[in-house]
Amino acid sequence: QVQLVESGGGAVQPGTSLRVSCEASGFTFSSYPMHWLRQAPGEGLEWVAVISPDGSPHAYADSVRGRFTIARDNSQNTLYLQMKSLRVEDSALYYCAKEGHSSGKAGTLDVWGQGTMVTVSS
Amino acid sequence: DIQMTQSPSSLSASVGDRVTISCRASQDVSSWLAWYQQKPGKAPKSLIYAASNLQSGVPSRFSGSGSGTDFTLTINNLQPEDFATYFCQHYNTYPITFGQGTRLEIK
Repeated sequence: QVQLVESGGGAVQPGTSLRVSCEASGFTFSSYPMHWLRQAPGEGLEWVAVISPDGSPHAYADSVRGRFTIARDNSQNTLYLQMKSLRVEDSALYYCAKEGHSSGKAGTLDVWGQGTMVTVSS
Repeated sequence: DIQMTQSPSSLSASVGDRVTISCRASQDVSSWLAWYQQKPGKAPKSLIYAASNLQSGVPSRFSGSGSGTDFTLTINNLQPEDFATYFCQHYNTYPITFGQGTRLEIK
């Protein structure tokens, strides 16, 4: 079945870096744009970044642009989010998601992973 | 960025009821509107795309309507498993943004 499994979250100090991963299975990973989103405890959903099937171009939320980098390895069916200069406000459950329906400019998220928790605290 | 505003923020209803959740976009998003359901401790689940199209496997008691800036999610004959939080999302362009969520509780 179609599945996304995130990993790599943890507790880190402000200003440090962390990379989270998302392993995909059950679909042709290299055919779909992939997204990262996040949700702080008890809060709503925030889109973070998207990557096209071949790895370019990318788009980022203003809140992470210049600090976060989205990447993918289609040979390994894996999506990554490299996070640098982490801030307390980056603390959240990070989800990867497969793009579903597209408007031609952006898309829906039709499959989600279970999330990996990132906590930024001194 | 396009702002998405849902109303109400929460509502109470009983099994068998019909409920309506509204979502308003700060600018025209055509029909590029999706709805998601999220239960506590779980990832969101896609329900509807393109304002009114049901995702595969979603029960027909769920329906969506609207275009432009005003959209509605309707759930007929509420079932116990429908009590959850619902989010709308536009995908007219990046950044995609979500409504703040509507928590549907059992009365």
